[in-house]
Amino acid sequence: DAGVIQSPRHEVTEMGQEVTLRCKPISGHDYLFWYRQTMMRGLELLIYFNNNVPIDDSGMPEDRFSAKMPNASFSTLKIQPSEPRDSAVYFCASSPGQENTEAFFGQGTRLTVV
Amino acid sequence: AQTVTQSQPEMSVQEAETVTLSCTYDTSESDYYLFWYKQPPSRQMILVIRQEAYKQQNATENRFSVNFQKAAKSFSLKISDSQLGDAAMYFCAWETSGSRLTFGEGTQLTVNP
Repeated sequence: DAGVIQSPRHEVTEMGQEVTLRCKPISGHDYLFWYRQTMMRGLELLIYFNNNVPIDDSGMPEDRFSAKMPNASFSTLKIQPSEPRDSAVYFCASSPGQENTEAFFGQGTRLTVV
Repeated sequence: AQTVTQSQPEMSVQEAETVTLSCTYDTSESDYYLFWYKQPPSRQMILVIRQEAYKQQNATENRFSVNFQKAAKSFSLKISDSQLGDAAMYFCAWETSGSRLTFGEGTQLTVNP
């Protein structure tokens, strides 16, 4: 398996624009996570899914952020409208489930909002 | 709320020497997992080692080992025979059911030749 695949690797956008980050988890993994990494707040969980269903979105900073998982092989994190303070590295990770707790991370998307 | 604390923002070690990175956590749960992840400049998060809380034996992976003190809620990482490729940011993380991770602030490790 190619691992967790995120696209794009880098994204530069202007304030107010819509940004969509994409993730393909490892096949067969039941859990999918979106994390955000910033200098100020470190690594924080935004939302996670179990079998395509959002379980906990309490980490989503505000209504400008939304995440979907239409099927087991694809998820998106959307920011609309984007703001400079959204600049960060966004990681997607997947995990097989409770019996195997290791999470596998994608390479992240570095988002810069100017 | 569960918290993970890494009190050493930066550490340095000479190549071939041993270094220990500290981590403490706070939880009221009895069943959980602890991890150390490595993040090199490529920013890829790489699992270094993990420990199940119900196991008393400390985990070991080649040059990496942990000192897990459950009562003290301490989980330190020891890197033996440090190599230049070990230079990275190291994150301690705690996890309970559902595979959701809570990370510490990270420790930047420098390996000096």
